Amino acid sequence: DTEVTQTPKHLVMGMTNKKSLKCEQHMGHRAMYWYKQKAKKPPELMFVYSYEKLSINESVPSRFSPECPNSSLLNLHLHALQPEDSALYLCASSQARGGGLGNNEQFFGPGTRLTVL
Amino acid sequence: SQQGEEDPQALSIQEGENATMNCSYKTSINNLQWYRQNSGRGLVHLILIRSNEREKHSGRLRVTLDTSKKSSSLLITASRAADTASYFCATLGYSTLTFGKGTMLLVSP
Repeated sequence: DTEVTQTPKHLVMGMTNKKSLKCEQHMGHRAMYWYKQKAKKPPELMFVYSYEKLSINESVPSRFSPECPNSSLLNLHLHALQPEDSALYLCASSQARGGGLGNNEQFFGPGTRLTVL
Repeated sequence: SQQGEEDPQALSIQEGENATMNCSYKTSINNLQWYRQNSGRGLVHLILIRSNEREKHSGRLRVTLDTSKKSSSLLITASRAADTASYFCATLGYSTLTFGKGTMLLVSP
């Protein structure tokens, strides 16, 4: 199984809502990532988990809260978002060995299209 | 700031033609990767070229790397309508990938 799945595919939420994005992989990858992508822009890294521990937080506002409950799952909890947070949120996974995370191919999910009203 | 800068930003060709996209970066790298993204979807890894490699092939893809010029090129030969997508180069930063701005390729039948 070489697939990364993400749910939901689309999400519309108000600024006072609390919601969660979910990501799952069964490739045995021990590194998982959250990216944010605005229209016609490249993906921007938000968080990296390595062996279920948060290893990189790219100065993301606290209204985004990641969680890695086990080696196959990655969640992104959302609270009090702003309209400018509307974007495609991509999850990815990779092996976590071999000289560093960036030396390994990342497998991406299809993304969650988030709209904040 | 982003490492990779692709050019052109957009490229429109006919089926059967070759498409060449270029990527320039600013600092030393361990490897450079190319990804494809169909409209509004996830990214698909195409090829990884290490800093000690100069050229790599995968099917209809040919990637070159010139570390002295800090640049890479992706050549897609005999393009097909299904190759229509955005193409990103990505360079290794501190344990993470940084994506360039991308080239949007349109292949017309």
